[in-house]
Amino acid sequence: DGGITQSPKYLFRKEGQNVTLSCEQNLNHDAMYWYRQDPGQGLRLIYYSQIVNDFQKGDIAEGYSVSREKKESFPLTVTSAQKNPTAFYLCASGTGAGYTFGSGTRLTVV
Amino acid sequence: GQQLNQSPQSMFIQEGEDVSMNCTSSSIFNTWLWYKQDPGEGPVLLIALYKAGELTSNGRLTAQFGITRKDSFLNISASIPSDVGIYFCAGSTSGTYKYIFGTGTRLKVLA
Repeated sequence: DGGITQSPKYLFRKEGQNVTLSCEQNLNHDAMYWYRQDPGQGLRLIYYSQIVNDFQKGDIAEGYSVSREKKESFPLTVTSAQKNPTAFYLCASGTGAGYTFGSGTRLTVV
Repeated sequence: GQQLNQSPQSMFIQEGEDVSMNCTSSSIFNTWLWYKQDPGEGPVLLIALYKAGELTSNGRLTAQFGITRKDSFLNISASIPSDVGIYFCAGSTSGTYKYIFGTGTRLKVLA
């Protein structure tokens, strides 16, 4: 079955550490996206990529980094520069007809 | 960044009641999408609308693409407890793969 997989489901980070969230899709979609969701809030765009080896900053890119070396993969690194990283992170892939979302990664700073 | 305005922000309804929510934008869109998010999960696409005035149903759900192309509406008939969740609208202009999401409507159904 085609789909989009995020891992891990839960992630704990110590202060000052970088962590990487995985996102893999087998839908053959060119475009991929990372969103952040805080409790009771909507979706805020972090980064997006419309083609391999190219990506653009979204609305809240500070403290995050991404890479797009393969069409199927779009990992997100939450760096130590992100001062408030505790949130629910959603990856999506899509076409002009809409997005398919992964099941999310909940990141908690301990 | 731009976000679409959804109304209401949250609502409690009795099981069996009908539900209406809407989404408005200052920009004209060519595509409207409606998603539902269950707690701790990613949003799932419910209905996609591609033409002004279009009315599309998916079971008990019906969505409409507003004539002005700046709004969209979602109706749920005869609500059931599993309708609980957050409903998001999303809009896109033609030629882009980038959707703008609404602020969400949180629905709680009382049995």
